[in-house]
Amino acid sequence: ETGVTQSPTHLIKTRGQQVTLRCSSQSGHNTVSWYQQALGQGPQFIFQYYREEENGRGNFPPRFSGLQFPNYSSELNVNALELDDSALYLCASSLERYSQETQYFGPGTRLLVL
Amino acid sequence: GENVEQHPSTLSVQEGDSAVIKCTYSDSASNYFPWYKQELGKGPQLIIDIRSNVGEKKDQRIAVTLNKTAKHFSLHITETQPEDSAVYFCAASSGYSTLTFGKGTMLLVSP
Repeated sequence: ETGVTQSPTHLIKTRGQQVTLRCSSQSGHNTVSWYQQALGQGPQFIFQYYREEENGRGNFPPRFSGLQFPNYSSELNVNALELDDSALYLCASSLERYSQETQYFGPGTRLLVL
Repeated sequence: GENVEQHPSTLSVQEGDSAVIKCTYSDSASNYFPWYKQELGKGPQLIIDIRSNVGEKKDQRIAVTLNKTAKHFSLHITETQPEDSAVYFCAASSGYSTLTFGKGTMLLVSP
């Protein structure tokens, strides 16, 4: 176990709705990254938070947004849900934001959009 | 941006055989290359990683090699066991700690 937890484990929403996913990072880690994993694909980077500030963003539209709190836990918010948003959403925490830092993944939240 | 290609997409071996998975990357600035194992319904679990100042790293039955000139790295699993069956992902990272993943290799080890 990595010590990274995510909630909820599963979620079903309908098109147009909004969703909030939560992540608690491993103790002592100040950096959280979010990834989207479609079925049969590798995880794709959404964005990263470092000490409560967005530190980088992948090729995702602005309706994907996030927050990091003073205790370094994090939220991923998705507005105006589309069918293609159905995926496993993973968060990963690392000790620092540098490229050679190991990222530890949580179990993920599986989102189904109908 | 970085692009990571992974081969093969599926790999079937007999228990006790070796398995090799290969990845290539495009960004010469990439300096960290982790390998993750993902079992059904779970998040990716780090199994081994290598940094750009090292050419090879071994941990028991698992080894990773890195060729920075050719921009490719490989995962080697020896004496495979049924519990090694899973999807394996390679990834590359440069700059800040964001990972670009390959598409994964489904490894099936038959008893």
